[in-house]
Amino acid sequence: QKEVEQDPGPLSVPEGAIVSLNCTYSNSAFQYFMWYRQYSRKGPELLMYTYSSGNKEDGRFTAQVDKSSKYISLFIRDSQPSDSATYLCAMSGRRGSQGNLIFGKGTKLSVKP
Amino acid sequence: DSGVTQTPKHLITATGQRVTLRCSPRSGDLSVYWYQQSLDQGLQFLIQYYNGEERAKGNILERFSAQQFPDLHSELNLSSLELGDSALYFCASSDSTGTPYEQYFGPGTRLTVT
Repeated sequence: QKEVEQDPGPLSVPEGAIVSLNCTYSNSAFQYFMWYRQYSRKGPELLMYTYSSGNKEDGRFTAQVDKSSKYISLFIRDSQPSDSATYLCAMSGRRGSQGNLIFGKGTKLSVKP
Repeated sequence: DSGVTQTPKHLITATGQRVTLRCSPRSGDLSVYWYQQSLDQGLQFLIQYYNGEERAKGNILERFSAQQFPDLHSELNLSSLELGDSALYFCASSDSTGTPYEQYFGPGTRLTVT
């Protein structure tokens, strides 16, 4: 079993839809949960992060972590064509200089005008 | 723009060859991480250097090695290349007290082994 599982999609939605992206994980030591967005032929860029459990909101984006279920989600409200990208979840248990990230395989999202 | 630079952008080489990928971290960042992204495996951590010293190792093959120089730039050396080494290679950097999410990724080097 991989440490982090993510449905690769692809996921296609109409503009304005609510998008739900999810990851499950097996390592209970994970404390930091991140969502990265990666446009085609670009490096990943950090969208949101959460430490431990709970919700975090930033504009149209909401990140949720449920440590009891080992399940994290990213919701995108009022999705836009510019949101079309691959979304990667990432996790880490360590702070500081040894914080290498464990990534999901990414979900490819397409938002149609 | 993350402030992390990587060269070259693209690299095409033959099996059995050796290549060197270069990464310059953001100004002031002491940690450099190398990741490999392939369709099969996704984005996987290879190795981390902190202020010139190896700090953590992931799924890095013995044919691969890295180093970080006094000016903090880093190089990833890939030798005896195989077709399966074709992938995107990213480096990321963070400062000495960064939490795991404060890793800034470069634009990547696309390696094609023919």
